[in-house]
Amino acid sequence: DAGVTQSPTHLIKTRGQQVTLRCSPISGHKSVSWYQQVLGQGPQFIFQYYEKEERGRGNFPDRFSARQFPNYSSELNVNALLLGDSALYLCASSLQGGGSEKLFFGSGTQLSVL
Amino acid sequence: QKEVEQNSGPLSVPEGAIASLNCTYSDRGSQSFFWYRQYSGKSPELIMFIYSNGDKEDGRFTAQLNKASQYVSLLIRDSQPSDSATYLCAVRRSSYKLIFGSGTRLLVRP
Repeated sequence: DAGVTQSPTHLIKTRGQQVTLRCSPISGHKSVSWYQQVLGQGPQFIFQYYEKEERGRGNFPDRFSARQFPNYSSELNVNALLLGDSALYLCASSLQGGGSEKLFFGSGTQLSVL
Repeated sequence: QKEVEQNSGPLSVPEGAIASLNCTYSDRGSQSFFWYRQYSGKSPELIMFIYSNGDKEDGRFTAQLNKASQYVSLLIRDSQPSDSATYLCAVRRSSYKLIFGSGTRLLVRP
């Protein structure tokens, strides 16, 4: 079975541009979460979606948005990119997003903002 | 005070030794506790999870949880050079959000 898949793997953008990152969860998983990992830090929570509804949002500006589709895949959008948005963006899936569930990560999208 | 704290390391141990990685958390309402391993340039990989006080063993790995002391640890027995990585402690207090520490870098010397 395929794990969590993310695309693209690498992306280079310039300040002010917009970017869309994509994620497909593990088959059977209905919850998708997005995390940002800056070099040398642990992942930081951005969003969680379950059954196309936003279940939680981290401390990120409104430039960050996401959505989940009927097939449970998800997109993360970042507008008006800043240099500080350069990071590894991780998508994770779980069955229903419950408190005791294990979270499985994709290989990530490395975003560089120049 | 950070919500999840880990010593950044590096923790250096010889091959075959026991590596002990520690993590403290600030929110007593935390419910679930996870250890992820992350190799350089790769994504985090789940290696252990624990929900109740005490020890949980899986192969060479043992997770220990003490909720009264708000302390989680990971022991790696018979450490191998392939165990060299950054180990991330993660804590879940609500249903949707994992809070990660900054990770401890482990170096296993051949």
